[in-house]
Amino acid sequence: DTAVSQTPKYLVTQMGNDKSIKCEQNLGHDTMYWYKQDSKKFLKIMFSYNNKELIINETVPNRFSPKSPDKAHLNLHINSLELGDSAVYFCASSVGGRTEAFFGQGTRLTVV
Amino acid sequence: KQEVTQIPAALSVPEGENLVLNCSFTDSAIYNLQWFRQDPGKGLTSLLLIQSSQREQTSGRLNASLDKSSGRSTLYIAASQPGDSATYLCAAPLGRTPLVFGKGTRLSVIA
Repeated sequence: DTAVSQTPKYLVTQMGNDKSIKCEQNLGHDTMYWYKQDSKKFLKIMFSYNNKELIINETVPNRFSPKSPDKAHLNLHINSLELGDSAVYFCASSVGGRTEAFFGQGTRLTVV
Repeated sequence: KQEVTQIPAALSVPEGENLVLNCSFTDSAIYNLQWFRQDPGKGLTSLLLIQSSQREQTSGRLNASLDKSSGRSTLYIAASQPGDSATYLCAAPLGRTPLVFGKGTRLSVIA
């Protein structure tokens, strides 16, 4: 009965590779997000997306792109991975942009 | 710049003590504020959501308050237990950003 689920939980990959992280929510929410938690444990928004609007944090490199096949899924695709991309990535969802948000368990990405 | 600040960064208390975690934010027109708990290596668990029209929200031993005029929220934990040890995060939608997070308070409850 996981509300927001992410796969994989752990991802180790080499620099220069392209990888994707998948996210699915079964809450019927219309808005999904990707957050990055850095080595200092600080959480920052990367993307906010509903069926009408994609809001991109301007500090996110264009190597990162969200892809939403339907309202229940928001995948994160990363091109040309760099060492600095190593972090924990969290997916979340809510109704609209200002209601209670629910988070997945995170994907720990390690770039070597 | 829209910011959320949490103090202290870390807190250690003996079991059974009541404690208060603080959160401040820069936008008095805040829509709501959410408190989360994060255990090491785990995801975020939503604890309480307090709407701008509310002054308090309670769940079990947790009580969150919101004072928009002063830009502050507090999370009160009664009768703390070792199982409460975790990092507590507050977050609020500020400007166009859905949730702006504080850097968290790392709580240790000593048995």
